[in-house]
Amino acid sequence: AQRVTQPEKLLSVFKGAPVELKCNYSYSGSPELFWYVQYSRQRLQLLLRHISRESIKGFTADLNKGETSFHLKKPFAQEEDSAMYYCAFPYNYGQNFVFGPGTRLSVLP
Amino acid sequence: DADVTQTPRNRITKTGKRIMLECSQTKGHDRMYWYRQDPGLGLRLIYYSFDVKDINKGEISDGYSVSRQAQAKFSLSLESAIPNQTALYFCATGSGWNYGYTFGSGTRLTVV
Repeated sequence: AQRVTQPEKLLSVFKGAPVELKCNYSYSGSPELFWYVQYSRQRLQLLLRHISRESIKGFTADLNKGETSFHLKKPFAQEEDSAMYYCAFPYNYGQNFVFGPGTRLSVLP
Repeated sequence: DADVTQTPRNRITKTGKRIMLECSQTKGHDRMYWYRQDPGLGLRLIYYSFDVKDINKGEISDGYSVSRQAQAKFSLSLESAIPNQTALYFCATGSGWNYGYTFGSGTRLTVV
């Protein structure tokens, strides 16, 4: 069955430190992966899509099919990056998304 | 103005009561979704709809029903609310999987 795991519920880093949010997936096909972010008291919003190979707010993510991972990285964390981050991918021929449980990133001053 | 609007933002209701959560969108998207968010569980799909005549169950549809009144409106109902339906509910819209979803601000529902 399709599944997304995010092993860390909470990740704390200091401002300026590198950050990596882990995401692993279980899927028989070759999924296109997404990262969503939810800032405090705000709606979820799309952060980046693997399909577009983009970098948003300094974040990048690389799909590693061998490790079935799509980790989110940023070289220098900022306090405004503190938020919940969700990894997700479409399934059921693209009709729906399955979301991971989320990782709360806390960037300390 | 928000392009995906959910009402109410917060609601406290009693066990056994019927409650409706509403979602409207100005995105022009055909696809609309209802998700439930619980701490540690992420988002779980309740129902989804690809047009007015299309309604589909998600992974946790028991205890819920939906109505797609128009392309822009998708309502979620709890016929007889129970405490374990206390959660944050999100509506989302989409035009295709490769563009991802646009989410509403959420409705925080508490069943006492």
